[in-house]
Amino acid sequence: GAVVSQHPSRVICKSGTSVKIECRSLDFQATTMFWYRQFPKQSLMLMATSNEGSKATYEQGVEKDKFLINHASLTLSTLTVTSAHPEDSSFYICSASIGPGALSTFGSGTRLTVV
Amino acid sequence: QKEVEQNSGPLSVPEGAIASLNCTYSDRGSQSFFWYRQYSGKSPELIMFIYSNGDKEDGRFTAQLNKASQYVSLLIRDSQPSDSATYLCAVRGTGNQFYFGTGTSLTVIP
Repeated sequence: GAVVSQHPSRVICKSGTSVKIECRSLDFQATTMFWYRQFPKQSLMLMATSNEGSKATYEQGVEKDKFLINHASLTLSTLTVTSAHPEDSSFYICSASIGPGALSTFGSGTRLTVV
Repeated sequence: QKEVEQNSGPLSVPEGAIASLNCTYSDRGSQSFFWYRQYSGKSPELIMFIYSNGDKEDGRFTAQLNKASQYVSLLIRDSQPSDSATYLCAVRGTGNQFYFGTGTSLTVIP
């Protein structure tokens, strides 16, 4: 089955620093990857849609200059949280699919804590 | 974002009982509906998906869809303590992205 690897699983960083999270599709090519954020006791909220070779599409209210998304290849998308603040502490999850209509596979998530 | 509403619970049922989870959605044009299970601190895992009106059964799970009422439900028969988790209803958008409800916390009491 399709496997999506997300790394790191946990990261603690100091306020003001940047953190990069990687999402890789291991056994399939993902033309589209999605990034979600989940605060405690809340649901997953779609942050952005990442298309290989083009700019990401951000959901309303998500700062594109703060959450940098790069999808340089068909198997790798990265999310960089720039100048992180404690309010950015959250569970970040990526998902990937082979193409339109195909089921998406979720990564294992990254727990970000900004201190 | 599309609105997907769920009762946050918590919902408690005794072991062996039927757990009923409900979800409504705002976009009448939505076509694909999903139920995910999420354990604390983990990523969601797919339980079932349904595209057509009516019932779809898979083992102990039955998904029900009523597009006219914009309503999706999940029934879990013979509930087990291992079913205790948060259940997320999701609607798929035209770009294959998912819009999730807030989730319903289910506890199955042994």
